[in-house]
Amino acid sequence: QVRLQESGPGLVKPSETLSLTCTVSGGSISSYYWSWIRQPAGKGLEWIGRIYTSGSTNYNPSLKSRVTMSVDTSKSHFSLKLTSVTAADTAVYYCARDPGGYRFDSWGQGTLVTVSS
Amino acid sequence: DIQMTQSPSSLSASVGDRVTITCQASQDISNYLNWYQQKPGKAPKLLIYDASNLQTGVPSRFSGSGSGTDFTFTIISLQPEDVATYYCQQYDNLPFTFGPGTKVDIK
Repeated sequence: QVRLQESGPGLVKPSETLSLTCTVSGGSISSYYWSWIRQPAGKGLEWIGRIYTSGSTNYNPSLKSRVTMSVDTSKSHFSLKLTSVTAADTAVYYCARDPGGYRFDSWGQGTLVTVSS
Repeated sequence: DIQMTQSPSSLSASVGDRVTITCQASQDISNYLNWYQQKPGKAPKLLIYDASNLQTGVPSRFSGSGSGTDFTFTIISLQPEDVATYYCQQYDNLPFTFGPGTKVDIK
């Protein structure tokens, strides 16, 4: 049973960079798409983007100018960087596995990131 | 972006009731639709993919149907453990987009 675990700072200052890592265990990281999805408190889900294990990426145009994703297959983890954050970026951030390029069949537990000075 | 809408936004039903949620896409998405269940404080869980296929391990009281722009998600017999928010998600076009969710609770 694959397990995903998000890690990173829970508090980020405005204008700084949010950095999160998702570690994959119990299964292979290879040959899958891996996505980041976020959810502000009490609101819906927003897809941030995805990375394939080859390193190919797709980002949500609404965030594209500020997002970078990377993958390290040797460490079985992938990462998200979101620059120039504001309070609007405060949310629970989830990582998720996408086996076919279109559905999220395994999720991390989520990590709350608060943007505040 | 493809916009997804859901109705109702919330509902309350009795145990054993049949519950139906609808999801509408802003353009034809064929059957490129998934349904997720999110319990409070938890990550979403995939229930239905390709509009009508039950994810492995998901109880058969959950079902989905539809194509084009109009989709339906049904719980045949509502159970207490089904209290959650349900989201549809399209994958016809990037960016993937989700509906706003339907909150289901027990009357």
